[in-house]
Amino acid sequence: GESVGLHLPTLSVQEGDNSIINCAYSNSASDYFIWYKQESGKGPQFIIDIRSNMDKRQGQRVTVLLNKTVKHLSLQIAATQPGDSAVYFCAENLNYGQNFVFGPGTRLSVLP
Amino acid sequence: KAGVTQTPRYLIKTRGQQVTLSCSPISGHRSVSWYQQTPGQGLQFLFEYFSETQRNKGNFPGRFSGRQFSNSRSEMNVSTLELGDSALYLCASSLEGGPNYGYTFGSGTRLTVV
Repeated sequence: GESVGLHLPTLSVQEGDNSIINCAYSNSASDYFIWYKQESGKGPQFIIDIRSNMDKRQGQRVTVLLNKTVKHLSLQIAATQPGDSAVYFCAENLNYGQNFVFGPGTRLSVLP
Repeated sequence: KAGVTQTPRYLIKTRGQQVTLSCSPISGHRSVSWYQQTPGQGLQFLFEYFSETQRNKGNFPGRFSGRQFSNSRSEMNVSTLELGDSALYLCASSLEGGPNYGYTFGSGTRLTVV
């Protein structure tokens, strides 16, 4: 499949373990954040979002944490599965603007 | 419901040529955004269209242009292609644009300039 990023940071986890993917965002004024998952040959897929008035949000097997003090987002995936192998991007929305700024991405590799 | 459809899926062009890519958004979505994805630069915003008007624009040269039709379908055009334009071009649609559950992305058009 197409290469999303040849030199992305890679996180390798054992199947069944929990994964934590981190992201530093750029603008303290950003008020909306999304995590996307991109599998080889596909476009990014929405996973979970969070607004700046929250510090934690949970979905199915995923949790996003927001630390505005240090401009940091994390994505936690519980009981990581082989199907979770992908590149994960955080995206920030600046002041309710019309575009998102994406982070460089992290490649998650799930080991059997 | 049908997702975001991008055509063609793959394209090979020669330096100096021009190219047009097409994006059909999810039915009812009025905002279409375009992104360029490369291994070196990641995902970079090109422009966003809403109701046939360009509403926001990224930092790309004027060789990159786009338009949106009354049915919300969008096209982007790159003129005078350069080798560095080789990338995956993604479009994304949303109801209104902005922070409303983010985008739904298409699978992209892989453009190779030789």
